[in-house]
Amino acid sequence: NAGVTQTPKFQVLKTGQSMTLQCAQDMNHEYMSWYRQDPGMGLRLIHYSVGAGITDQGEVPNGYNVSRSTTEDFPLRLLSAAPSQTSVYFCASSPQRRDTQYFGPGTRLTVL
Amino acid sequence: KQEVTQIPAALSVPEGENLVLNCSFTDSAIYNLQWFRQDPGKGLTSLLLIQSSQREQTSGRLNASLDKSSGRSTLYIAASQPGDSATYLCAGQSNYQLIWGAGTKLIIKP
Repeated sequence: NAGVTQTPKFQVLKTGQSMTLQCAQDMNHEYMSWYRQDPGMGLRLIHYSVGAGITDQGEVPNGYNVSRSTTEDFPLRLLSAAPSQTSVYFCASSPQRRDTQYFGPGTRLTVL
Repeated sequence: KQEVTQIPAALSVPEGENLVLNCSFTDSAIYNLQWFRQDPGKGLTSLLLIQSSQREQTSGRLNASLDKSSGRSTLYIAASQPGDSATYLCAGQSNYQLIWGAGTKLIIKP
């Protein structure tokens, strides 16, 4: 089991560029989510999905898009990167919403 | 709105000591309370999950308690070791999402 994998590990973007952060899990989990982690703050939920074809907004969804075409994959798209999106991004999965969550290693994103 | 607070932000103790990390939450209507560990530059690892109907959970040298009436959870680490050095985060499960504390950075001095 690879668990939850994320690519890339590091990324530098210029303001206005777009990109996709990849997330995949091989545990057949229904629930997947994206968080951002900023210094001195708790993790904040960006988007989540309770199953293939179903996504919903979290606490800080603006500037981000998601889709869930398969159970395994849950990519996060930055539409037009802004310096305020400089952060560490974590993907997580769990069997159901209220179960223990399993985290990927994170993507450290810098927007110049 | 649920808020989760962890105090202190950082803690340094000598190896071998028992210690307690604190987590407080404002809304007692949580489904569960979870404790995670985060090592520098890495993802989060789940340590313990306490259901709202439970008072505590134990795993090895770790014991987590939950008191919904007072809005508090504690993580007790027995006989601390340098390998326990990490940031410990707690999160309360509301109906729709986990609400996270900012974490306590723990340093165990050899």
